[in-house]
Amino acid sequence: GEDVEQSLFLSVREGDSSVINCTYTDSSSTYLYWYKQEPGAGLQLLTYIFSNMDMKQDQRLTVLLNKKDKHLSLRIADTQTGDSAIYFCAEIKQAGTALIFGKGTTLSVSS
Amino acid sequence: DAEITQSPRHKITETGRQVTLACHQTWNHNNMFWYRQDLGHGLRLIHYSYGVHDTNKGEVSDGYSVSRSNTEDLPLTLESAASSQTSVYFCASSESRITGYTFGSGTRLTVV
Repeated sequence: GEDVEQSLFLSVREGDSSVINCTYTDSSSTYLYWYKQEPGAGLQLLTYIFSNMDMKQDQRLTVLLNKKDKHLSLRIADTQTGDSAIYFCAEIKQAGTALIFGKGTTLSVSS
Repeated sequence: DAEITQSPRHKITETGRQVTLACHQTWNHNNMFWYRQDLGHGLRLIHYSYGVHDTNKGEVSDGYSVSRSNTEDLPLTLESAASSQTSVYFCASSESRITGYTFGSGTRLTVV
């Protein structure tokens, strides 16, 4: 079954904030990640959060973690056309080191 | 600079042929992984290795094999290629959970 779920598409206007949501099912997951994939390229690590944190901010990126609801979100402030990409949420379960990915959210930014 | 490279970038092969995709990293990472990416499925784990001579099956390992004879390389072999194995394949490596994974640029494989 699917371990990590994401909405498939998000469309925003340049300058707006984008919020990409993710739910995971394993409450024992200790590390949660956001990756970005631009067309024709591999995945690039954007940021990560430990399960004992509620929030992490890194420049325009804010990650919020709600452990009770197993909900993770990525907020991109002042979204730019260069932010158009596929964003993947991923978790590492406590038992192993293999990343489990969601299906990805395609972010489209219009000017 | 350290890097992770995959070859070839593109490959077309016929059904039933054996195909090997290469992955080479110069990060000296212990952990290496193979994923396939398909529309509607995201990335799914095929095989992974925690060190030399260690290999483990992932979610979609049927029809694939790997071997780890040194730290730098984890080749992925399709024993008898099938059309269902047409996909984009990504290799990744990591030193630890905290640092996340470094991905290669991918190999697009078409089985005809």
